[in-house]
Amino acid sequence: DQQVKQNSPSLSVQEGRISILNCDYTNSMFDYFLWYKKYPAEGPTFLISISSIKDKNEDGRFTVFLNKSAKHLSLHIVPSQPGDSAVYFCAAKNAGGTSYGKLTFGQGTILTVHP
Amino acid sequence: KAGVTQTPRYLIKTRGQQVTLSCSPISGHRSVSWYQQTPGQGLQFLFEYFSETQRNKGNFPGRFSGRQFSNSRSEMNVSTLELGDSALYLCASSFRQGGTEAFFGQGTRLTVV
Repeated sequence: DQQVKQNSPSLSVQEGRISILNCDYTNSMFDYFLWYKKYPAEGPTFLISISSIKDKNEDGRFTVFLNKSAKHLSLHIVPSQPGDSAVYFCAAKNAGGTSYGKLTFGQGTILTVHP
Repeated sequence: KAGVTQTPRYLIKTRGQQVTLSCSPISGHRSVSWYQQTPGQGLQFLFEYFSETQRNKGNFPGRFSGRQFSNSRSEMNVSTLELGDSALYLCASSFRQGGTEAFFGQGTRLTVV
C-alpha cells in the first residue's frame, strides 16, 4: 500500500527554467510533509517542509505547495541549476499521532537539469 | 556542528552472519530513526528510538533490532543475514521524539553475499 506516491520517475529541465516535482498521498492522517534531495551513496538532505495548516512555504529557490483537499503537494525550484540534479523524495508523517517520527517516503523522482 | 555520523560506510557480510551498524546523532538530538533503502522498496522505516526506548517500529522481521544509549547514539543489529538484506541503511536524527525535521547520515551500504 503506497501511501505516498511520486508518479513521475524522472524529470528533465533546462537550466534557468522551473522544475516542478509532484507528490500525492492517500493517508488523511498525514499532517506534515517534507522534501529531501539525495545523491547516490549519500543520505537524503532535508530541503523544505510544510505543515498541513499552511498551503505554501518558501525558502529561497524552493517553494512547496500543499493542496489538502486533493491530497497533493508539489516542490517548485526556480530557477533550476545543474547542481539541483539529484533524486527528490517526498515524505509525510503524522506529527501529532502515535507514529511519532516515522516518515513515509515516496519512490523518488530523478531530476536532471541540463546546462 | 557535526552532522549525523554512521559507521561503517561499507560492509560485506555472508549469509547467516549478523551485523551491527552504528549511528551518532547530531549533538543535542535525542531521537534516532533507522531506514532501509533498496531499489525495489525505496526508503522504508525500521524503527525510532528516543530516550533509550523504542517508540515506533516498521514492518520488518524480528531479525532487525536496535538500541539507543544514554548519549543518544544508536546501534542497529541484523541477525541471520539474508541476501535480501543488502541495502543502504540510513539513520536520521531529530531534536525531539517525532521531531518534524529529520536529518540523515550518509548511510551504511551493506552487501550480503
